[in-house]
Amino acid sequence: DIQMTQSPSSLSASVGDRVTITCRASQGIYDYLAWFQQKPGKAPKSLIHAASSLDSGVPSRFSGSGYGTDFTLTITSLQPEDFATYYCQQYNSYPLTFGGGTKVEIK
Amino acid sequence: EVKLVESGGGLVQPGGSLRLSCAASGFTFSDRFMDWVRQAPGRGLEWVARARNKANTYTTEYAASVKGRFTISRDDSKNSLYLQMNSLKTEDTAVYFCARAAHHTGNYFFDYWGQGTLVTVSS
Repeated sequence: DIQMTQSPSSLSASVGDRVTITCRASQGIYDYLAWFQQKPGKAPKSLIHAASSLDSGVPSRFSGSGYGTDFTLTITSLQPEDFATYYCQQYNSYPLTFGGGTKVEIK
Repeated sequence: EVKLVESGGGLVQPGGSLRLSCAASGFTFSDRFMDWVRQAPGRGLEWVARARNKANTYTTEYAASVKGRFTISRDDSKNSLYLQMNSLKTEDTAVYFCARAAHHTGNYFFDYWGQGTLVTVSS
């Protein structure tokens, strides 16, 4: 199985800050990497697929990069509605696996 | 508008069975791969199972933790996805999400999610 490791597991930031979350795969996954946002008690929302392609309706302050084993999600100018937990997920091979999540909290 | 609505969750005793349903609308259900993903209370996301479409002969994939106990199926005439869960264990307690998959150069990523249905396995 491919292990997905996210860091940090949590962070505190202020509105307007630039935030970067990293995700590392235990083996190469090309660009088969997705990012999701989840708020408490809600379903995940798809943000990015193919490592850097924004899903429909996702604000341009979100961006993704990376290839192979190392990936990043960046939020430029953090907004109040961005405080949530973020997950990466590989879809290169089965079983599909998620990172452990990064909780973005208000400083 | 894409909508995925799960139902069928509830309280069940260890060793029992439950069948979840996901009603889809707003897209051509028969064209899509569909998945179940779960989330135990306070924990992260765990992929459970995938059902491919007719063009891919309705084949399925399962996580090791549920293989042999859970069965994913679909009824394209009803735009519905199902998860039959047998021999339930306390560790199967989770919110179960239905998710639609979209194609990306030979592989498939989740692009829409339902709101989830809670399954509690407890005596």
